[in-house]
Amino acid sequence: AQTVTQSQPEMSVQEAETVTLSCTYDTSESDYYLFWYKQPPSRQMILVIRQEAYKQQNATENRFSVNFQKAAKSFSLKISDSQLGDAAMYFCAYRSYQAGTALIFGKGTTLSVSS
Amino acid sequence: GAVVSQHPSWVICKSGTSVKIECRSLDFQATTMFWYRQFPKQSLMLMATSNEGSKATYEQGVEKDKFLINHASLTLSTLTVTSAHPEDSSFYICSARDTPSLNEQFFGPGTRLTVL
Repeated sequence: AQTVTQSQPEMSVQEAETVTLSCTYDTSESDYYLFWYKQPPSRQMILVIRQEAYKQQNATENRFSVNFQKAAKSFSLKISDSQLGDAAMYFCAYRSYQAGTALIFGKGTTLSVSS
Repeated sequence: GAVVSQHPSWVICKSGTSVKIECRSLDFQATTMFWYRQFPKQSLMLMATSNEGSKATYEQGVEKDKFLINHASLTLSTLTVTSAHPEDSSFYICSARDTPSLNEQFFGPGTRLTVL
């Protein structure tokens, strides 16, 4: 079975600074997807970024980028130029390449942003 | 992106009653829907996976007779919490995928259930 581990329950960053959230996973599959989701106080899940395992290039979405290390099974999220609106709970998630499978979430990291 | 709605957004009920939560895909047909449960400051725990027109597949430890899931159409799935008890109080989130190959799940806004 696949597992996702987020070892940082809480992180903090100052506005305009950069923060990195860690995520490791365990799987025996070679093809899969990885995601970072944001859950603000409204509790609506928002997709931040996704990475296909077969792609070596790290995904980037504006201020958000990932460091995907397939061999090490590591998938960290870097948030640059942090903003107050980035404060939320962030979940790392894994999804098998097989059709119809659900996302498997890590325990989450609560990010606080101070001015 | 695709929109998933949930109704109601919050509900309070008495112990022993049943509560139905609806999950709708508004602008796409959802062949697969997922139901998650989330306790405060914790992660999302997958309860079940449902495919349109077939029985739901429940995760280990989830009581299928307590949490009834019906995915009768391509745009609607319902979760009924039967004979609810205070320990069923939680935040329930549904998500939907339109085609098996789509690599993204679209999430509903969630339903907060409080059982008195």
